[in-house]
Amino acid sequence: DADVTQTPRNRITKTGKRIMLECSQTKGHDRMYWYRQDPGLGLRLIYYSFDVKDINKGEISDGYSVSRQAQAKFSLSLESAIPNQTALYFCATSDSGGVQPQHFGDGTRLSIL
Amino acid sequence: RKEVEQDPGPFNVPEGATVAFNCTYSNSASQSFFWYRQDCRKEPKLLMSVYSSGNEDGRFTAQLNRASQYISLLIRDSKLSDSATYLCVVNHYNQGGKLIFGQGTELSVKP
Repeated sequence: DADVTQTPRNRITKTGKRIMLECSQTKGHDRMYWYRQDPGLGLRLIYYSFDVKDINKGEISDGYSVSRQAQAKFSLSLESAIPNQTALYFCATSDSGGVQPQHFGDGTRLSIL
Repeated sequence: RKEVEQDPGPFNVPEGATVAFNCTYSNSASQSFFWYRQDCRKEPKLLMSVYSSGNEDGRFTAQLNRASQYISLLIRDSKLSDSATYLCVVNHYNQGGKLIFGQGTELSVKP
């Protein structure tokens, strides 16, 4: 089983819909992250959380919200999806204590029509 | 200017070749450095950390030049399976655990 699991793997939806992407991990890491990846732009950080009570905006948080329900779960919501949110979304986790490498889920391919 | 810059490539090399990628970073306070590998439309995976004295892992060698603010990745004896995008990743002190990713350098190893 994957250590970092994202659901769904693929989603096609319409403009204006509310969408939730889920991430769960079995690595026991405190830190979790949401990124989006677009061609030519690389990975950009949307939100991150260093523990259950901690939520921080990343580089491109507008139009997104997150919830850290438990240590193992970090969900990303698009309240009213728009076409330029079409991208590949990754969840990642890392251990705490200084700078640690991040471990990524398989990604969610999201298309907004 | 981007915080982390890489030549997007593609670098097309024959099997067995030696290839090197550079990456420059803009923040002199950067402390931690990594190379990640990403196969087409899959998740990034940690390839290796980069240490101040340079480090080697099999066919892969990473170097850090703090004075010039760049890191490099050298791949010797390229294999077909090395074809991927290589992401340069940087962290600086006041970013905590956040990492800054370069856009990646694409490598294609041909038979």
